[in-house]
Amino acid sequence: NAGVTQTPKFQVLKTGQSMTLQCAQDMNHEYMSWYRQDPGMGLRLIHYSVGAGITDQGEVPNGYNVSRSTTEDFPLRLLSAAPSQTSVYFCASSYSGLAGGETQYFGPGTRLLVL
Amino acid sequence: AQSVAQPEDQVNVAEGNPLTVKCTYSVSGNPYLFWYVQYPNRGLQFLLKYITGDNLVKGSYGFEAEFNKSQTSFHLKKPSALVSDSALYFCAVIEWTTDSWGKLQFGAGTQVVVTP
Repeated sequence: NAGVTQTPKFQVLKTGQSMTLQCAQDMNHEYMSWYRQDPGMGLRLIHYSVGAGITDQGEVPNGYNVSRSTTEDFPLRLLSAAPSQTSVYFCASSYSGLAGGETQYFGPGTRLLVL
Repeated sequence: AQSVAQPEDQVNVAEGNPLTVKCTYSVSGNPYLFWYVQYPNRGLQFLLKYITGDNLVKGSYGFEAEFNKSQTSFHLKKPSALVSDSALYFCAVIEWTTDSWGKLQFGAGTQVVVTP
């Protein structure tokens, strides 16, 4: 198994540009989520999905859209990038929801710089 | 709301000495607690978790953590640190949500520096 994969590894955008961060997992996990990591703030949840066709907002959803058309893929879209979205983005997945103590597994991350 | 605190931004330890990374939590109900490690330019790797049972939890790479309900703590420990343990360590707690799926709430992270 490749686990959780993310592309690209690094991206530079200009303010106002759009892009999609890709995330895929091959473990047949039901629960997937996107986090952003900023210095001194830990990881903050952007959006999550509990299965194909079902998504919900996390702590910092503004400026980001998600969809989940398949179990494997969970892309994160930035419609109009802003410098405040400069961050490292992590995708994670788990077999089921976290309320039962399920472990989340993380991808390698995408480093995004918005100029 | 559930939360975790990591009171130290950085921990410095000499190789071979014991390593402790502190974490305290605030939850309503029983806590589900996790430790993750992030090596430079890498994703987060799961180390261990406490769900229920024995208060001493053993995990990957020789790490263990002790759950202390009275002190609301979940400190990460390693008896003898290695230079390769230098990394960023995150404590996290499951936050209960109205949709019953749960979310992970992370601490700010503690940078561990192990010197030869």
